[in-house]
Amino acid sequence: DAGVTQSPTHLIKTRGQQVTLRCSPKSGHDTVSWYQQALGQGPQFIFQYYEEEERQRGNFPDRFSGHQFPNYSSELNVNALLLGDSALYLCASSLARGGYNEQFFGPGTRLTVL
Amino acid sequence: GESVGLHLPTLSVQEGDNSIINCAYSNSASDYFIWYKQESGKGPQFIIDIRSNMDKRQGQRVTVLLNKTVKHLSLQIAATQPGDSAVYFCAETNWVTGNQFYFGTGTSLTVIP
Repeated sequence: DAGVTQSPTHLIKTRGQQVTLRCSPKSGHDTVSWYQQALGQGPQFIFQYYEEEERQRGNFPDRFSGHQFPNYSSELNVNALLLGDSALYLCASSLARGGYNEQFFGPGTRLTVL
Repeated sequence: GESVGLHLPTLSVQEGDNSIINCAYSNSASDYFIWYKQESGKGPQFIIDIRSNMDKRQGQRVTVLLNKTVKHLSLQIAATQPGDSAVYFCAETNWVTGNQFYFGTGTSLTVIP
């Protein structure tokens, strides 16, 4: 049973560019959350997708957008990259059953903005 | 905003000793807490969770204690092993932000063989 997978593993971009990160949830999961983890910090919630819609959003600007596909996989897009966007981007999947649901994290995509 | 923090950023213990990692949270409405373990180059891994209607929960070699009065959470690891070396995060949420978890800064645990 494959866990959460993310691609690419590492990515280097320059300021002003756009980036797309991808996530495939754990088999059987229908909900995907994205987190940004700066070096030495805990993960910060970006947003969550369920039934192909953004269900909840953290304190991130509109430069951060996402999408969920019918097969539950998800993309995170970041436009007009800033140096401060350099971080580990984590995807977590869960199964929406009501109440609190355990989230399974992927290995992350390390984004470096130069 | 939410605030979940840890008292000690680093912790070193001898192999075989017990480890205690602490976490403070500021939102009294928080009612669900999770401890995660993150090894280098990997995503956070679920260790144990606890709901606010409990004070203590035990897993395999791990115990989580919740003190709602002082808004404090702790993770106890029994007979710490080298494989326990990692960064440990507490995360919390509540019924309002049920899909959004707030993470602390993390504590780096180093086990000395």
